Amino acid sequence: DIQMTQSPSSLSASVGDRVTITCQASQDISNYLNWYQQKPGKAPKLLIYDASNLETGVPSRFSGSGSGTDFTFTISSLQPEDIATYYCQQYDNLPLALTFGGGTKVEIK
Amino acid sequence: EVQLVQSGAEVKKPGESLKISCKGSGYSFTSYWIGWVRQMPGKGLEWMGIIYPGDSDTRYSPSFQGQVTISADKSISTAYLQWSSLKASDTAMYYCARRGVGATSMDVWGQGTTVTVSS
Repeated sequence: DIQMTQSPSSLSASVGDRVTITCQASQDISNYLNWYQQKPGKAPKLLIYDASNLETGVPSRFSGSGSGTDFTFTISSLQPEDIATYYCQQYDNLPLALTFGGGTKVEIK
Repeated sequence: EVQLVQSGAEVKKPGESLKISCKGSGYSFTSYWIGWVRQMPGKGLEWMGIIYPGDSDTRYSPSFQGQVTISADKSISTAYLQWSSLKASDTAMYYCARRGVGATSMDVWGQGTTVTVSS
């Protein structure tokens, strides 16, 4: 099974700061990596799919990059409404699996 | 509007059985995989398994194989997650989510169903 290591597990940043979260796969997953935002008490929401594609309606301050085993998620200018936990998720076809990283809780300093 | 609507919160005793549901609307239910995700209190997301309602092809995470059963009734556009004998450790929020056609991601999510197992 492919394991996903997400870091950091939490971070605190100021409004307007650039925030970066990383996710590392235990083996090559090409660009089969997605990022979700989960606000407290709410269902997760897809932000980035296939490593770098912005889901429709998602603000452009969110971005993703990477391929193979190393991936990065960035918020270019942190806003108060971005307070949430962010998860990476990998897709494997054989066997079919959609495994999540451990999550990163983002707070305002 | 594309949406997944899940059944309401459940409170059960250990050893009881349970089946929760996820009803899709606004899209072709038989053309998209539906997955289930567990979130234990204060913890992260865990992928449990996924079903293709068109032919009931079902895959499970090894962590959940044999612990739950995923099924679907395409005639009423509804997917299910069931337990035959609940444990206290099954206490969690459970989400269903749609996997897009040919996609690697889950683009539409249900609102979640809280399951509490306590004696």
